Amino acid sequence: DAKTTQPTSMDCAEGRAANLPCNHSTISGNEYVYWYRQIHSQGPQYIIHGLKNNETNEMASLIITEDRKSSTLILPHATLRDTAVYYCIVSIGGTSYGKLTFGQGTILTVHP
Amino acid sequence: DAGVIQSPRHEVTEMGQEVTLRCKPISGHNSLFWYRQTMMRGLELLIYFNNNVPIDDSGMPEDRFSAKMPNASFSTLKIQPSEPRDSAVYFCASRDRRNRPESFFGQGTRLTVV
Repeated sequence: DAKTTQPTSMDCAEGRAANLPCNHSTISGNEYVYWYRQIHSQGPQYIIHGLKNNETNEMASLIITEDRKSSTLILPHATLRDTAVYYCIVSIGGTSYGKLTFGQGTILTVHP
Repeated sequence: DAGVIQSPRHEVTEMGQEVTLRCKPISGHNSLFWYRQTMMRGLELLIYFNNNVPIDDSGMPEDRFSAKMPNASFSTLKIQPSEPRDSAVYFCASRDRRNRPESFFGQGTRLTVV
């Protein structure tokens, strides 16, 4: 699986957009970009995933660069409950194995 | 659905004792994962089952660890004998490999070995 690089920590004001970057320069053609988050003391929670097109769901948007070497997770209106560790993971998707290799992630702190 | 259910939520045991962690995956899911989380090593995959069969156990730290999945609705992770360095939060996750890309995680079992 390709390795990802994320900033250690970020801050965001409540109500503003949180933009979390991720570099994955060694991503392969059949690997997807997944985002999970882990709120303190809970199990990780799936947010969104994508292959090469931008994606949006009820939780967030995922912007993937054209060369697929980096991506940005966007939480459009961050709330205090979005304070968590955010993990960017690259993995083969579809009906394959789906092994998730977690890095250290980005600690996002949303403040009032 | 109640989600992935793990038990117990907390376990404190003495070194040398056997510990069994339990997991009930989401009904209909055919893939199950056991992860371990520590401050030093983060989240690590221990073992992966597909259709109740262990596919990848390369993350199991040593022979003291064993995992079983006797049927589609139940899995166990056993540590025998336990050691203080096994203290961690153990997560179980399940996935419907046929139709969905995301894994669903349980709330975890916090294990403390003293």
